[in-house]
Amino acid sequence: GENVEQHPSTLSVQEGDSAVIKCTYSDSASNYFPWYKQELGKRPQLIIDIRSNVGEKKDQRIAVTLNKTAKHFSLHITETQPEDSAVYFCAASNSGPGNTGKLIFGQGTTLQVKP
Amino acid sequence: DGGITQSPKYLFRKEGQNVTLSCEQNLNHDAMYWYRQDPGQGLRLIYYSQIVNDFQKGDIAEGYSVSREKKESFPLTVTSAQKNPTAFYLCASSIWENTGELFFGEGSRLTVL
Repeated sequence: GENVEQHPSTLSVQEGDSAVIKCTYSDSASNYFPWYKQELGKRPQLIIDIRSNVGEKKDQRIAVTLNKTAKHFSLHITETQPEDSAVYFCAASNSGPGNTGKLIFGQGTTLQVKP
Repeated sequence: DGGITQSPKYLFRKEGQNVTLSCEQNLNHDAMYWYRQDPGQGLRLIYYSQIVNDFQKGDIAEGYSVSREKKESFPLTVTSAQKNPTAFYLCASSIWENTGELFFGEGSRLTVL
């Protein structure tokens, strides 16, 4: 079945530095790649997503890149702040009419931003 | 106020007992999902349902059962056949034919004593 691998499992950076989290997926039919942020004790929430027809997407300090040939995508957070500390999950799905649309998640990355 | 409501937030169960977790949504979403979250293993799909009266097994369905009698409700039963039920359970919904974005409930933490 489809598999999503996420690295690293933990990441510690100094405030102001950049953080990069990487994911690889196995199903070449995947076309939707979201990233979720889960703060301690809270529900996961979508922070950014990308579809297979683009290679990069940016939203303020957050960006996601996609390499379909290599089947990997990455989350980049610049100018990190303590409130960025959370668990981040990548996911992949084959989304759209006629498909299941079910998301397969990576194992999660615990990001700690030190003040 | 639209969203997904899970209950109870915390639940304790003795071994051998079945327990049902509630999930209700008023977002008018077609699809609903149950995920299990364990430390270091991400979110693993238990069951999902795209329409009323229909549901499919996810990757770890053994020991669980669901029903989808109403569009807004998708309860999960953790049966005594589930060997390691202590976990954090998340319900989610989506407009499955659209963006694929999942909206999550706040979760239910089940502890087996």
